[in-house]
Amino acid sequence: AQKVTQAQTEISVVEKEDVTLDCVYETRDTTYYLFWYKQPPSGELVFLIRRNSFDEQNEISGRYSWNFQKSTSSFNFTITASQVVDSAVYFCALSEQRLYGGTSYGKLTFGQGTILTVHP
Amino acid sequence: GAVVSQHPSRVICKSGTSVKIECRSLDFQATTMFWYRQFPKQSLMLMATSNEGSKATYEQGVEKDKFLINHASLTLSTLTVTSAHPEDSSFYICSARALDSLFGPQHFGDGTRLSIL
Repeated sequence: AQKVTQAQTEISVVEKEDVTLDCVYETRDTTYYLFWYKQPPSGELVFLIRRNSFDEQNEISGRYSWNFQKSTSSFNFTITASQVVDSAVYFCALSEQRLYGGTSYGKLTFGQGTILTVHP
Repeated sequence: GAVVSQHPSRVICKSGTSVKIECRSLDFQATTMFWYRQFPKQSLMLMATSNEGSKATYEQGVEKDKFLINHASLTLSTLTVTSAHPEDSSFYICSARALDSLFGPQHFGDGTRLSIL
């Protein structure tokens, strides 16, 4: 069974601080995808990144960066120079990619989420 | 691109009412749509996977007669909460994956906040 653990329930930082959100996953699949989503107070889920299990290169997008380490089954997310607008709940998710009759299943398993509060 | 529209955004109704929630992919075709439920300060729990033209696949513990799902076209899936009761009050979110993107990300609607009095 798949499992995603976000050990940090809540994080509080002051604006301009760097913050790292941890994500550890469990899966028996050799092919899988990892995601990060942002859920602001308004409730919608915003897609941030997708990473497949064969690509361990770190990625940077503006103030966001992701560190994928297969050896430790971790996919951590760092926000550099945090801003108040970054305040939200962040979810890490894992997708199995088994093919059933030629159709991808793609079920997402979410972590519990980390509530990030950035104070001015 | 990849916009998913969910309607209504908020529903308040009396116990015993049936409520229908629509999920539309506006600028892409979606073979598969997913329905999630989220309680306050909790994670998203998958309720069912909806495939166009076939019966939905429900997760363990989700009553299929209570939560009716119809995926009539490549751009529309509906979730009907039948005879809703206060314990059905929750935030319901749909997502869709593009037809030509077997391993692509799911794109989420804005969610529907359901309150049963």
